[in-house]
Amino acid sequence: QQQVKQSPQSLIVQKGGISIINCAYENTAFDYFPWYQQFPGKGPALLIAIRPDVSEKKEGRFTISFNKSAKQFSLHIMDSQPGDSATYFCAAKGGSNYKLTFGKGTLLTVNP
Amino acid sequence: SQTIHQWPATLVQPVGSPLSLECTVEGTSNPNLYWYRQAAGRGLQLLFYSVGIGQISSEVPQNLSASRPQDRQFILSSKKLLLSDSGFYLCAWTGFLDYGYTFGSGTRLTVV
Repeated sequence: QQQVKQSPQSLIVQKGGISIINCAYENTAFDYFPWYQQFPGKGPALLIAIRPDVSEKKEGRFTISFNKSAKQFSLHIMDSQPGDSATYFCAAKGGSNYKLTFGKGTLLTVNP
Repeated sequence: SQTIHQWPATLVQPVGSPLSLECTVEGTSNPNLYWYRQAAGRGLQLLFYSVGIGQISSEVPQNLSASRPQDRQFILSSKKLLLSDSGFYLCAWTGFLDYGYTFGSGTRLTVV
């Protein structure tokens, strides 16, 4: 029940294309869904986050889509750039749990 | 503003040697603190977390231990390192009513 399943494991996109990463969860107590971006040799950094009372949140080229009934959420990167090449983690947290549950990560490569 | 410091950035240690990694947070009080390890591949494995001084919860039984001697200081230790302890160690914090983690820059540990 604590798992967050992330797909794909790796993704190659051409510059200017749309990158889509998907996550699914089981625990209905989750009420916070962040995405983290990690560059090689660096710690993950919070990219964007959503709560289940909205179906979509957009910040610049990054959009989270959230489907509460399906227990799924996804990250869309519009107009993908080579500088977006990184590992992306979805995560979930909720209730009295102090811990974020992370997906296994997606290695995104954006070719110039 | 809040900042998190982690050191050293890189460390090469022989098998059987002790380990001490330190993490400190500035600009906040009573943070929740976390130690993660990222081995080969990309997954984030939660090792320990602490919600207060002297309060340590262990997620994975292993060759490591953690301590929180002060409110904003979190230490990861080992008495005798194993080859399998190699990895990228990340400290993170979150505030009492916050949801998202802020990660440190990490320590790359290589056990030889």
